[in-house]
Amino acid sequence: GAVVSQHPSWVICKSGTSVKIECRSLDFQATTMFWYRQFPKQSLMLMATSNEGSKATYEQGVEKDKFLINHASLTLSTLTVTSAHPEDSSFYICSAGPAWNTEAFFGQGTRLTVV
Amino acid sequence: QKEVEQDPGPLSVPEGAIVSLNCTYSNSAFQYFMWYRQYSRKGPELLMYTYSSGNKEDGRFTAQVDKSSKYISLFIRDSQPSDSATYLCAMTPTGNQFYFGTGTSLTVIP
Repeated sequence: GAVVSQHPSWVICKSGTSVKIECRSLDFQATTMFWYRQFPKQSLMLMATSNEGSKATYEQGVEKDKFLINHASLTLSTLTVTSAHPEDSSFYICSAGPAWNTEAFFGQGTRLTVV
Repeated sequence: QKEVEQDPGPLSVPEGAIVSLNCTYSNSAFQYFMWYRQYSRKGPELLMYTYSSGNKEDGRFTAQVDKSSKYISLFIRDSQPSDSATYLCAMTPTGNQFYFGTGTSLTVIP
């Protein structure tokens, strides 16, 4: 299957700082990537849909100024958590799929801990 | 009503048992159905992918889709301790937006 790589896999940051998470499609081009948040023992919650070359589409209740998404190329989308607070601590996962396919492939996930 | 319903479990079975995992959904537009396995603190891994109704088998895993009942299943034969994970069902009408179940936590006891 297609490969989606996410980096870093784990990050600790101080409250008030910003953290950038990268999501790359390694063997295909992705015009659309998805960003999810997952709390312990809960399912994936879609945060936003990242569109190459245009603004991301955010789900209701997700602060677009806090979770900045940039999809500058067909193989890279980034999520920046700005002015992070402890309540932002969570598992963030991206997904993407080849344009000819309707499967979603996931990155390894990033565990963010804000202290 | 949620778009996708999945019993969260937890489900515990002895090694070698047949495991049945299920999801129901309400949107008749869903055409593509997936099952993912997620180990703790890892991203979901695609296990099975099915289009429309029918069965699909891959090794010890069988996926079934019954669109008339809006019901999908994943069967695991000869379950192994390494199958212990959370299993997520997912579905999409076109691929632009995916809908996930809450996940079922499975433990296979040696």
